Amino acid sequence: DTEVTQTPKHLVMGMTNKKSLKCEQHMGHRAMYWYKQKAKKPPELMFVYSYEKLSINESVPSRFSPECPNSSLLNLHLHALQPEDSALYLCASSQDSGRGLGKTQYFGPGTRLLVL
Amino acid sequence: GDSVTQMEGPVTLSEEAFLTINCTYTATGYPSLFWYVQYPGEGLQLLLKATKADDKGSNKGFEATYRKETTSFHLEKGSVQVSDSAVYFCALGATSGTYKYIFGTGTRLKVLA
Repeated sequence: DTEVTQTPKHLVMGMTNKKSLKCEQHMGHRAMYWYKQKAKKPPELMFVYSYEKLSINESVPSRFSPECPNSSLLNLHLHALQPEDSALYLCASSQDSGRGLGKTQYFGPGTRLLVL
Repeated sequence: GDSVTQMEGPVTLSEEAFLTINCTYTATGYPSLFWYVQYPGEGLQLLLKATKADDKGSNKGFEATYRKETTSFHLEKGSVQVSDSAVYFCALGATSGTYKYIFGTGTRLKVLA
């Protein structure tokens, strides 16, 4: 089973709201990722968690706050977002985040976020 | 640093036509290479991968061969179907610095009945 699940599927929020995106995997993977994807563009890496510790933050604004409560779960807390943050947010997982042959990332279906 | 160059789209083909989507890469080491497909409104699905030179990845009639001499990983399918209409991303696993994926810009494929 190579399934990564994400909830909610769609989210509309105002600029003063606080919301959270959730991602879950049960493949025993120890690395989890958040990506942001704008229309007609490739995914852009935001955060990487390795063994439940934040290992990469690609200079993401602090209005995005990731959390990894355990090895199967990854959250992205959203606060005071801007309209330009509207995008598809993808979660992915892999065996681990180290360099090595074929470290394949498996993606979830994404959460489509609209900020009004 | 590492980079991926993917052919511009959109690519429009008739059903049963032959498909090639070009992907070339630059890397200091020997990266793993991947093709992902994204159907409208969905996430990325792994289509195939190759981890060393001359490896051929294949899945659902799609194939790609890791060519070290030409630094390429072109995606091919002998006979496309309408259901293959999607965006295809070539990606490599970075060989220097922090390990992460480097994605190509994506190629949109439209198959007409």
